[in-house]
Amino acid sequence: KNQVEQSPQSLIILEGKNCTLQCNYTVSPFSNLRWYKQDTGRGPVSLTIMTFSENTKSNRRYTATLDADTKQSSLHITASQLSDSASYICVVSAKGGGNKLTFGTGTQLKVEL
Amino acid sequence: EAGVAQSPRYKIIEKRQSVAFWCNPISGHATLYWYQQILGQGPKLLIQFQNNGVVDDSQLPKDRFSAERLKGVDSTLKIQPAKLEDSAVYLCASSLAPGDAGANVLTFGAGSRLTVL
Repeated sequence: KNQVEQSPQSLIILEGKNCTLQCNYTVSPFSNLRWYKQDTGRGPVSLTIMTFSENTKSNRRYTATLDADTKQSSLHITASQLSDSASYICVVSAKGGGNKLTFGTGTQLKVEL
Repeated sequence: EAGVAQSPRYKIIEKRQSVAFWCNPISGHATLYWYQQILGQGPKLLIQFQNNGVVDDSQLPKDRFSAERLKGVDSTLKIQPAKLEDSAVYLCASSLAPGDAGANVLTFGAGSRLTVL
């Protein structure tokens, strides 16, 4: 059964600090992995996508890594801001027709002053 | 470009009543999804449409949930009768057709929050 597990479940950090969110998956055959940010009361918004051949990808203060061998991904947030407070959801896509996606339960991040 | 539109944003009903949610996807997006997101959990796929045909409805509780996309554009999701455990946010998302470049980039609406009392 395809699964995506994220850790930690929740996290509180001070503004300006860095943090790393983890995602482990057992989706097969793997196509790509995407991190979404979901603000409270809003729908998820895509931050970055990782394909099988990519190890690291950065988008402003977000850096995602992918280790396809160990089936792990991380999302590193640098110099956190209050606006980073949100749920971060890891979504893994399987190859094949129909665009099959498996969602993680998300990491709830809170950035405080 | 306009995003995915959903309505209503909030709905409170009593158990055993019925409710309907509406979604207007991004223009040109052939694939439309309905997800159920219970508080503290990730979205769970209820149904996926490709144009006006159903691709996957394996997790849709068909005894009480129904969805349609008659003209391959707008979609409605109905719950009748509602149960307490149906309290959740119902997210609509759309994407290009599988096989198209960027097909697995889902654009989500803001969601419809349902509270069943």
